[in-house]
Amino acid sequence: EVQLVESGGGLVKPGGSLRLSCEASGFTFSSYVMTWVRQAPGKGLEWVSSISSSTNYIYYADSVKGRFTISRDNAKNSLYLRMNSLRAEDTAMYSCARVRHGYYFIDIWGQGTMVTVSS
Amino acid sequence: EVVMTQSPATLSVSPGERAILSCRASQSVNSNLAWYQQKPGQAPRLLIYGASTRSTGIPARFSGSGSGTEFTLAISSLQSEDFAVYFCHQYNEGHTFGQGTKLDI
Repeated sequence: EVQLVESGGGLVKPGGSLRLSCEASGFTFSSYVMTWVRQAPGKGLEWVSSISSSTNYIYYADSVKGRFTISRDNAKNSLYLRMNSLRAEDTAMYSCARVRHGYYFIDIWGQGTMVTVSS
Repeated sequence: EVVMTQSPATLSVSPGERAILSCRASQSVNSNLAWYQQKPGQAPRLLIYGASTRSTGIPARFSGSGSGTEFTLAISSLQSEDFAVYFCHQYNEGHTFGQGTKLDI
């Protein structure tokens, strides 16, 4: 079964850091572009960052550029999101997602891990 | 940024009826539009990509249409398991998403 399972969310103070992980199974992880998407409470979905299969290409939303770092370990079938200088507006459910091979749409989503930034 | 606007926010229908959900883009996204279904506590499920292509395993009662800026997801003969939130996603220029339409009984 194709699956993405996120972990690492929690409560953190403004200015703090957190590292999210996403473990993939059921497919050849190293062949796919992977993405992080978030959804703040009561708000719509927001694309956060994407990374190509071999990490040659990395993209960030302007709202997180310079603060978040996406990475992956293909040997461990894992995707990561390092989040620094966290702000209240970063409070959201963070989901990792797979981009369909050869296309640009998301075809598999994880259930997400909640990040709350509050003092 | 391409802004995606879905309507209505909530659609109340009865099992067996047909539902029409709309998604509008602030600029042309060609046919680079996907639809997803999300139930509480579950990950979203891909229904449609390329505006009109059903994903593997998606029943034929789900159909997508449109191109450019206007898109529609139609669900014929609603089943109880179809009551969920549906959202659109444009991937023509970056990734942006609609706010979702909740299909309610």
